[in-house]
Amino acid sequence: GAVVSQHPSWVICKSGTSVKIECRSLDFQATTMFWYRQFPKQSLMLMATSNEGSKATYEQGVEKDKFLINHASLTLSTLTVTSAHPEDSSFYICSARPARGNSYEQYFGPGTRLTVT
Amino acid sequence: AQSVTQLDSHVSVSEGTPVLLRCNYSSSYSPSLFWYVQHPNKGLQLLLKYTSAATLVKGINGFEAEFKKSETSFHLTKPSAHMSDAAEYFCVVSRNTGGFKTIFGAGTRLFVKA
Repeated sequence: GAVVSQHPSWVICKSGTSVKIECRSLDFQATTMFWYRQFPKQSLMLMATSNEGSKATYEQGVEKDKFLINHASLTLSTLTVTSAHPEDSSFYICSARPARGNSYEQYFGPGTRLTVT
Repeated sequence: AQSVTQLDSHVSVSEGTPVLLRCNYSSSYSPSLFWYVQHPNKGLQLLLKYTSAATLVKGINGFEAEFKKSETSFHLTKPSAHMSDAAEYFCVVSRNTGGFKTIFGAGTRLFVKA
């Protein structure tokens, strides 16, 4: 089956620093990837849609300058949290849609736990 | 517009008894509906999906769900709960008209008592 990986699986960083999270589709090409964040005991909230070779589309209320998304290839999207603050601590999950196949398919990564101290 | 409502924030059952997790949806288009499970500090695992084929969908680990258009429901059931079923469950609706969009329900925490 289709596999999506995320790296790192968890990261601790100091307030004010930046951290990059990678999302990779391991055995398929993904023209579209999605980034979600999940606060403890809450549901997933879509942050942005990342399209290969173009700018990401951000959901309302998500700061594009704080959450930088790059989708430079058909198998890799990155989310960079810039100048991180404790309130950015969360579980970040990506998903990827295959370039070919059922239009409703998407595959989720295992998530990245970010803790900002 | 699309929305999904999980009617119970938490459900508690005894091991060996049936499980029912309720989900209602609203969609302007023919929706695709999914149930995912998330164990603590883990990613999402797809349990089953409905994409306009058979209305009764069988998934993994003995779970199944029935799409009822007249009731706009997609409830998740399992005949006999196991301790390992204790987790968070998300009902999800997706559409691919006017752009791909996925909406997550708020989640239902399932507790299984020994």
